[in-house]
Amino acid sequence: EAGVAQSPRYKIIEKRQSVAFWCNPISGHATLYWYQQILGQGPKLLIQFQNNGVVDDSQLPKDRFSAERLKGVDSTLKIQPAKLEDSAVYLCASSPDRVSTEAFFGQGTRLTVV
Amino acid sequence: AQKVTQAQTEISVVEKEDVTLDCVYETRDTTYYLFWYKQPPSGELVFLIRRNSFDEQNEISGRYSWNFQKSTSSFNFTITASQVVDSAVYFCALSERGVGDDKIIFGKGTRLHILP
Repeated sequence: EAGVAQSPRYKIIEKRQSVAFWCNPISGHATLYWYQQILGQGPKLLIQFQNNGVVDDSQLPKDRFSAERLKGVDSTLKIQPAKLEDSAVYLCASSPDRVSTEAFFGQGTRLTVV
Repeated sequence: AQKVTQAQTEISVVEKEDVTLDCVYETRDTTYYLFWYKQPPSGELVFLIRRNSFDEQNEISGRYSWNFQKSTSSFNFTITASQVVDSAVYFCALSERGVGDDKIIFGKGTRLHILP
């Protein structure tokens, strides 16, 4: 079974530029998560989708971050404009269920904003 | 609100020693799920175990064991006879079964160094 795929693996941009990350979850998984992991910290949930609907985006900085999950499968996370403090690893995860099952993570996208 | 505390920021032990990673959680729900994940240097989070709030049985899987105690809101993880390959950051996580509040919350992690 293929795992969660993310691209790109690495991205370096200047502040105020925009960037987009892509995630392809495990086939059949209804729930998709985007997490932000700043160096030395645990992952912080940015947004959670159930199929193509948003379940939780309470910690998403909506003035600069946006995410969508078209057709309930792939998802993109966008930052526009980027700030220095956005430098982090962005992790995508998926799970079959919202609560009772574990989430499977991709390898992440390491973003550096200079 | 949910909260997960991993008080140990970093631990170093010599290979073959046993080591326990602590996890204390806070939740207002009676139904919830606890997880442990491993994050090796490659960066990918690897699922280790899930435990629901109604199952307080301890679990052993090879050199790994987990001790879940609701009375102290703890879900500790022990590695027996540690190996260098166990070096990683370990995260404890919590998920509640509640409408609009069922996200998985992670602790800050414990970085484990196994010294040869």
